Amino acid sequence: ETGVTQTPRHLVMGMTNKKSLKCEQHLGHNAMYWYKQSAKKPLELMFVYNFKEQTENNSVPSRFSPECPNSSHLFLHLHTLQPEDSALYLCASSQDAHTYEQYFGPGTRLTVT
Amino acid sequence: AQTVTQSQPEMSVQEAETVTLSCTYDTSESDYYLFWYKQPPSRQMILVIRQEAYKQQNATENRFSVNFQKAAKSFSLKISDSQLGDAAMYFCAYRSRGYMRFGAGTRLTVKP
Repeated sequence: ETGVTQTPRHLVMGMTNKKSLKCEQHLGHNAMYWYKQSAKKPLELMFVYNFKEQTENNSVPSRFSPECPNSSHLFLHLHTLQPEDSALYLCASSQDAHTYEQYFGPGTRLTVT
Repeated sequence: AQTVTQSQPEMSVQEAETVTLSCTYDTSESDYYLFWYKQPPSRQMILVIRQEAYKQQNATENRFSVNFQKAAKSFSLKISDSQLGDAAMYFCAYRSRGYMRFGAGTRLTVKP
């Protein structure tokens, strides 16, 4: 148990649906991250939040919209996704966004049909 | 841009034997951190070991140790006395100034 939880664990959605992924960390960390893990590709950092402020957006399409209401919660809002967006979406947290190791959640397996 | 390269997509080791996973990285920074993460089939990524670039001494965590060669920009992971539970994807990662980059991973199989 790493102290980072993600819901749902599995999600199947159509291209016209709107859904949200949720991440919660119980470690008292100040930074949270969204990653995309596709088969046979390196882990891709999507967004970084440090003290609730977004500090990094790695050219992620606008159909992915993050939200960080406080340091413990992170959401990823999804709308009009494409089949190539199917992947494992991992959330992580760290003490801050600069030097500390990250702790990962179990991921949400997303399938876009 | 910082890049992390793991040249071994798959590795195999006999139980109780030793295996070394390779990682090289490219950076112009002098202050950074390196990590090895393990992702078992259950998918939860966990930290195995970390190394601060300013430390010359190689990090060690029980059966896991690293060979950090700063000049060569090399950061290999050695697993001693391999156990069946070590079977997983292993990711090398680099971190500096908020940047975090992962390698493509090495799938380790442990044979009984």
